[in-house]
Amino acid sequence: GAGVSQTPSNKVTEKGKYVELRCDPISGHTALYWYRQSLGQGPEFLIYFQGTGAADDSGLPNDRFFAVRPEGSVSTLKIQRTERGDSAVYLCASSLLGYTDTQYFGPGTRLTVL
Amino acid sequence: AQSVTQPDIHITVSEGASLELRCNYSYGATPYLFWYVQSPGQGLQLLLKYFSGDTLVQGIKGFEAEFKRSQSSFNLRKPSVHWSDAAEYFCAVGPDQTGANNLFFGTGTRLTVIP
Repeated sequence: GAGVSQTPSNKVTEKGKYVELRCDPISGHTALYWYRQSLGQGPEFLIYFQGTGAADDSGLPNDRFFAVRPEGSVSTLKIQRTERGDSAVYLCASSLLGYTDTQYFGPGTRLTVL
Repeated sequence: AQSVTQPDIHITVSEGASLELRCNYSYGATPYLFWYVQSPGQGLQLLLKYFSGDTLVQGIKGFEAEFKRSQSSFNLRKPSVHWSDAAEYFCAVGPDQTGANNLFFGTGTRLTVIP
């Protein structure tokens, strides 16, 4: 079956611009996670959705970052006023119910802020 | 707060040799422990996980890991490495003491396999 997909695969933007990154989880998975992976680092948690609601957004670095999942399926990570330090690979994962279930990761979106 | 340490940034092994990747964690209770592999252009893939019970866990692709509470370790092993095992390996722990639902990842170990 289809895995987790993320679009775009690459995004180049200029400092100060707004970007949206999309995640399509595995069908039927209620839990969805966003992580950020900087060069040479492991993934860093950003936000966790259970259904439509953000159950834990403690990893969002500041209020420029926001994510939604309006219908409990597709999720969009939104970054306002991008900064060069936001450059990273943004990973999405989904799991059937919660974190104790296997998290299936997408290939990521590489964001470059010039 | 919990943390994960992977002390080896890069390891090189010969094909057919045995492999052990180290992972140490810091956590106040029994953790949930995971090993993921990340190949170039691929998403992270779960190799194995430990929640409770038998401390020796079998995973996919011939990998296993052993949870040692006394050493706060969860090292990944494979008896005979294949060239296709070359990738980045991440150890992860979850949840944290506040009951958050995320995984905390180590910084990874890059595995190179030489013929």
